[in-house]
Amino acid sequence: EADIYQTPRYLVIGTGKKITLECSQTMGHDKMYWYQQDPGMELHLIHYSYGVNSTEKGDLSSESTVSRIRTEHFPLTLESARPSHTSQYLCASSQRLAGELFFGEGSRLTVL
Amino acid sequence: KNQVEQSPQSLIILEGKNCTLQCNYTVSPFSNLRWYKQDTGRGPVSLTIMTFSENTKSNGRYTATLDADTKQSSLHITASQLSDSASYICVVSAGRGGSQGNLIFGKGTKLSVKP
Repeated sequence: EADIYQTPRYLVIGTGKKITLECSQTMGHDKMYWYQQDPGMELHLIHYSYGVNSTEKGDLSSESTVSRIRTEHFPLTLESARPSHTSQYLCASSQRLAGELFFGEGSRLTVL
Repeated sequence: KNQVEQSPQSLIILEGKNCTLQCNYTVSPFSNLRWYKQDTGRGPVSLTIMTFSENTKSNGRYTATLDADTKQSSLHITASQLSDSASYICVVSAGRGGSQGNLIFGKGTKLSVKP
């Protein structure tokens, strides 16, 4: 079992609300990632971090932002949610580049 | 353009039967190829990671093969169980050094195992 946790698992909110999806891992991994996945579609990388104070945008444009103040914590924030943000958000971590990815259970966001 | 194509898109088999899922890729340079199992509503779980020099890798009833010349991989599931019902995702890592920023994901094959 991977020690990476996401909260909330499910969230339904109204348009314009600010939300933060939490992701924590207890494996001491430096590398952490956020992916977005729509039903039946492939995962797309939206943010990644190679360590504390390091954040980069992925290959899918996203209006979300991330921070990495502590090694174990990599939260994702949407300042003003829109229906187009409805999706599943998956957090992952790895010990090294090209190493095995450990995923959280996902946060399914629905914006009304 | 780096791409990973999986087939079939979906598959229904009876419990106890074997099946093979396919993955074709056009990713260069190649670093490694991974297979993940994703249960509905859950995060993916790693099954195998194969580098260029590995042709076959097993994980219990799951056996992955890799042909780097034809850029094809397969995942064979033996004696399927109801718990094998899931999406199986093929992922290819591009680039020397294997930056995680260069992971190319397939759309997955949705497998349903019926009693």
